[in-house]
Amino acid sequence: GAGVSQTPSNKVTEKGKYVELRCDPISGHTALYWYRQSLGQGPEFLIYFQGTGAADDSGLPNDRFFAVRPEGSVSTLKIQRTERGDSAVYLCASSSGLAGGDTQYFGPGTRLTVL
Amino acid sequence: AQKVTQAQTEISVVEKEDVTLDCVYETRDTTYYLFWYKQPPSGELVFLIRRNSFDEQNEISGRYSWNFQKSTSSFNFTITASQVVDSAVYFCALSEYTGNQFYFGTGTSLTVIP
Repeated sequence: GAGVSQTPSNKVTEKGKYVELRCDPISGHTALYWYRQSLGQGPEFLIYFQGTGAADDSGLPNDRFFAVRPEGSVSTLKIQRTERGDSAVYLCASSSGLAGGDTQYFGPGTRLTVL
Repeated sequence: AQKVTQAQTEISVVEKEDVTLDCVYETRDTTYYLFWYKQPPSGELVFLIRRNSFDEQNEISGRYSWNFQKSTSSFNFTITASQVVDSAVYFCALSEYTGNQFYFGTGTSLTVIP
């Protein structure tokens, strides 16, 4: 079956602009996660959805970052007033959500560059 | 405090050599899960293995093996007879029972020289 997909694969924007990054999880997976990976680092947690609700958004760095998952499937990560420090690869993952410590399956990521 | 430490930043080996990637973790939970992922140059994280804290049996899958030792809080990964296709960044990750997020190490970049 299809894996996690993310669009766009690359996004270049100017400082101060608004961007949206999309994630389409594996069909049937109720849990969805967003991570951010900076160069030379491991992924860092941003937010976790169980169904439509954000169950844990403790990793969002500030209020410029927001994510939604209105129908419990596709999720959009929204970044307002982008800054150069937001440049990174944004990774989405999904899991079955049936048990703790579920394996998370990752998408290819969106590389965001803020000029 | 960092929950997952991968002290080896970069490793180079010649093809057919064995190589071990180290992972040390820290948690107060008695129930937790450990993972290894491979990130090839294409960038996508590929799942390799999941292990829960109650199962300390070593695991072997083809040329890959994992050694889990709770006494030293380590979950090391060995590739036997390495191949060029093994060249990638490898990440160790921890998931605690009390949460859902993964804590990743900083990764070990493995280069296998033909």
